[in-house]
Amino acid sequence: AQTVTQSQPEMSVQEAETVTLSCTYDTSESDYYLFWYKQPPSRQMILVIRQEAYKQQNATENRFSVNFQKAAKSFSLKISDSQLGDAAMYFCAYRSPEKETSGSRLTFGEGTQLTVNP
Amino acid sequence: EAQVTQNPRYLITVTGKKLTVTCSQNMNHEYMSWYRQDPGLGLRQIYYSMNVEVTDKGDVPEGYKVSRKEKRNFPLILESPSPNQTSLYFCASHRTGGNSPLHFGNGTRLTVT
Repeated sequence: AQTVTQSQPEMSVQEAETVTLSCTYDTSESDYYLFWYKQPPSRQMILVIRQEAYKQQNATENRFSVNFQKAAKSFSLKISDSQLGDAAMYFCAYRSPEKETSGSRLTFGEGTQLTVNP
Repeated sequence: EAQVTQNPRYLITVTGKKLTVTCSQNMNHEYMSWYRQDPGLGLRQIYYSMNVEVTDKGDVPEGYKVSRKEKRNFPLILESPSPNQTSLYFCASHRTGGNSPLHFGNGTRLTVT
């Protein structure tokens, strides 16, 4: 079974600064998908960014970007120009490739609680 | 509005009293799944469904049941709840396609005393 590890239970950043959240995963597959989700205090789960393993180019969504290192099985999230509204729990997730009989599975990391200080 | 509707948002019950948490999506998604969220453990998959009448166990299926009789609905059933099932539960759906994102319900906070 795949595992996803977020080694930083808590992180903090000053408003307008940059912070990087780490995520590593274990898999024997070559084709898969990676996601970062954000969970603010409202507990709603919000997609932040996604990456296909076959793409070498790192995904970017406005102030959010990833550093995808396939060989190292690492998928870190960089938040630039941090804002107070970025304060949330962040989850890294791995999705296996779809299989005809078993579909695809999604595995989440433990989460990183991000605090943004004014 | 495209959404996953999950009810109830809060539920307090006693050990052994059967309960059902409902989940419905209006996006015609093939996949639906249930997760529980516990501090320090992230989200763990309970059950998932690829399509109608096709369900499979996730990582923590013990003590739970599901059914997928219609494409839009995927209820989670706790036949005999126990205190270790106190948790925050999420239903989610997504379409076929590896990079398609999950759409989550708003969560159900379950407390079993």
